[in-house]
Amino acid sequence: DTEVTQTPKHLVMGMTNKKSLKCEQHMGHRAMYWYKQKAKKPPELMFVYSYEKLSINESVPSRFSPECPNSSLLNLHLHALQPEDSALYLCASSLTSGSSYNEQFFGPGTRLTVL
Amino acid sequence: DQQVKQNSPSLSVQEGRISILNCDYTNSMFDYFLWYKKYPAEGPTFLISISSIKDKNEDGRFTVFLNKSAKHLSLHIVPSQPGDSAVYFCAASPPTSGTYKYIFGTGTRLKVLA
Repeated sequence: DTEVTQTPKHLVMGMTNKKSLKCEQHMGHRAMYWYKQKAKKPPELMFVYSYEKLSINESVPSRFSPECPNSSLLNLHLHALQPEDSALYLCASSLTSGSSYNEQFFGPGTRLTVL
Repeated sequence: DQQVKQNSPSLSVQEGRISILNCDYTNSMFDYFLWYKKYPAEGPTFLISISSIKDKNEDGRFTVFLNKSAKHLSLHIVPSQPGDSAVYFCAASPPTSGTYKYIFGTGTRLKVLA
């Protein structure tokens, strides 16, 4: 299995809703990432988990809450989002070997619309 | 402050010809570079990478060249095929091990004309 899967593919939510994005990989990767991508912009890193521990938080607002229940799963819990949070949310994973020379493999993304 | 730049937002090339996509970076400490391809409504797909100790890496139709003195890398696709039409992002990795942090360029939309 050489892919990263994300669910749902599309999500529409109101500003008072609570929802979660899910990401899964079975490549034995120990680093997992959340990115946000707006139209015609590059992916922007949000969070990095390494060995199930949060290692990077790029000053993301607390209305985004990541969770890594185990080495294969990564969740992003959403609460009280704003319309400007509408974007494509990408999950990625990579091997961790103490080296930064590891390509990241991306999932197809969740297209989020906040009304 | 954009540390990784792709100055050409779009590029059109005839099928069978060479496509050259360019990327410039500002931080001479970056030590690993990657190219990703992205189709609409899909996540980026890894294409090819190069570490700063090399100046060229080849994989099939794709070759990446790195010019450290100019802080410039390029992706060559030969021969170009219509299926190569996509947005191409270059990415650079800061030197600190374990940060796993890539900085992406703004992307170049490649259109290969049949």
